[in-house]
This record gives sequence, structure tokens and C-alpha cells, in this order.
Amino acid sequence: DAKTTQPNSMESNEEEPVHLPCNHSTISGTDYIHWYRQLPSQGPEYVIHGLTSNVNNRMASLAIAEDRKSSTLILHRATLRDAAVYYCILLPEETSGSRLTFGEGTQLTVNP
Amino acid sequence: DAGVTQSPTHLIKTRGQQVTLRCSPKSGHDTVSWYQQALGQGPQFIFQYYEEEERQRGNFPDRFSGHQFPNYSSELNVNALLLGDSALYLCASSSLGRGQETQYFGPGTRLLVL
Repeated sequence: DAKTTQPNSMESNEEEPVHLPCNHSTISGTDYIHWYRQLPSQGPEYVIHGLTSNVNNRMASLAIAEDRKSSTLILHRATLRDAAVYYCILLPEETSGSRLTFGEGTQLTVNP
Repeated sequence: DAGVTQSPTHLIKTRGQQVTLRCSPKSGHDTVSWYQQALGQGPQFIFQYYEEEERQRGNFPDRFSGHQFPNYSSELNVNALLLGDSALYLCASSSLGRGQETQYFGPGTRLLVL
């Protein structure tokens, strides 16, 4: 499985944008980039995913570098509820099941 | 629509005992995966069930076994418990697909082995 690298921790202030980076230099052409987050005392939850183009949904935006070797999860206005561990995960398209390989993720702290 | 549910929420066992954890998938989902999450680490894939059969397995010993029922619910069994089995056990459900499928996780079962 291709490996992802994320900073161990990041800090932000409430109502400010947050950019969470992920490096995946060994990504293959058919790997999808998925982001999940895990709030305290909860199971992980899906945030967003993409292949090549930037993606937006109600939770966040995903910016994918042109060479696909890195991506950035963007929270446009952080709230206290966004404090969580964020995981960047690669999923091969040809995998007909969704086995997720989690790293250690980025612990996001949001200050009031 | 109920999401993924797991029972029990917490469990305390002693070394050598056996434990069974249960999971009901989100409505409409036919695939169940189990993960183990040690404190301070990301979840680790144990195995996945589809059509009542184990489709994929992670790097876990045979002490970890599972089952999926016709209604798609699933059980995780762990025999001969070790102290190192203490962890949060997460169940996730999805519909079998390719690359873009989303997994929905339950709140987990916290297992403590003494």
C-alpha cells in the first residue's frame, strides 16, 4: 500500500481556515485520496475524497496537487467541534473492498 | 435511519478468557469490517465480511475470528485474551464497491483485559 505522511499535530483558532497537509509521493495513478476524522471518544467519520480534481462538500475542501504527490484538506472556518485526529488514506480503485490503512494522523487542536 | 451500532460499549475481561463483540451495519450496507485501535494509534484492519464470508484479513492471529449473519450483522470473537488485546474495537459498514466507497464506523467497544 502507498504510504502517506502527515504532521503529528496542528493548531488553529476558531473561525479561521485550516489547511491540513498530506504527502503521498508513491501514489499510483488509480489511488483515490480519502480523508477521515475521528472526534474524541467516537469512531472515525468520512470527510471527503478525490482522485485528480479539487473537491468540495459541506464539510471541507480537498486540494490535490497537479502531480498528485500531495494533497491538502481545507476546513474553511474551524469550529471547536472540528478538533479531531485527521487521517489521509489512499484507496486503490481496483480494490473491490474498502480496507482502510490508517496512519497516526494529524491531531488538530482548535482554540476558542 | 440508525447508523452502525455496536455492543457492548465497554467490557472487562481477564487474560485467557474469550470475548464476543457485536455489530449491526447501517441500513442498506452488506459489508462489515472490523478494526482494532490501541490507545494513541490509528485503527488497524482486522478483517472484512461480505456474503457471510471473510473476504480480507489483516495481520492478526487466528485467535481473532468473526462471523456475518444473513441480516449482515457481524460478530468478532477473540479467544485466549492477552493484555495486549486491550483496545477500542471498531466496526465499519459499507456497500461493496471500488475505491470510492465510504465506510461508516460505529462508536466502538472498549475492551480492557486484566
